[in-house]
Amino acid sequence: LAKTTQPISMDSYEGQEVNITCSHNNIATNDYITWYQQFPSQGPRFIIQGYKTKVTNEVASLFIPADRKSSTLSLPRVSLSDTAVYYCLVGALYNQGGKLIFGQGTELSVKP
Amino acid sequence: SQTIHQWPATLVQPVGSPLSLECTVEGTSNPNLYWYRQAAGRGLQLLFYSVGIGQISSEVPQNLSASRPQDRQFILSSKKLLLSDSGFYLCASLTGGRGTGELFFGEGSRLTVL
Repeated sequence: LAKTTQPISMDSYEGQEVNITCSHNNIATNDYITWYQQFPSQGPRFIIQGYKTKVTNEVASLFIPADRKSSTLSLPRVSLSDTAVYYCLVGALYNQGGKLIFGQGTELSVKP
Repeated sequence: SQTIHQWPATLVQPVGSPLSLECTVEGTSNPNLYWYRQAAGRGLQLLFYSVGIGQISSEVPQNLSASRPQDRQFILSSKKLLLSDSGFYLCASLTGGRGTGELFFGEGSRLTVL
């Protein structure tokens, strides 16, 4: 089971690009990389998912190098509302079942 | 999309009392279901997961138990609560959404054990 390591916290200012990197050295062939965002007293919410190379959606980009041992979530032009905890989750697809274990997450603080 | 219902939303229980938290899922079928606990506002600890009715896998030895009596119902229980059981409990559902799998979370149940 792939263990993930992220920075505990990060600070940024409004309008900046924020990059959060997650290490997952023992990622398995069938594992996907998914990032979630959590606000206080709420359940985490899906941001983006990828397997390799680069994935982009309307809110973020996900960069995954060829060896897949790390991934970087990129948030363009953050605002105060992006202040939250961000989790990197590595695990297999639904039809392969199994446990999904979150790391400690990165607490992002966006300042004006 | 899926909707995950959890109740109760908040409860305060004395040490040694029983517990039952319920989670139901709408908008999907045959989900994998999960119970997570979050203490002190950080870190999601996986407690139980289930890939089908009656199939429960436990991750952490403790005085909690889980059951899945129906496809879209997941229950977390305890016979005697401990102070250390306090926390924010989250139920999650995983299906093949978007072709790859996405966890949907409920709004959580906040338990305070006194």
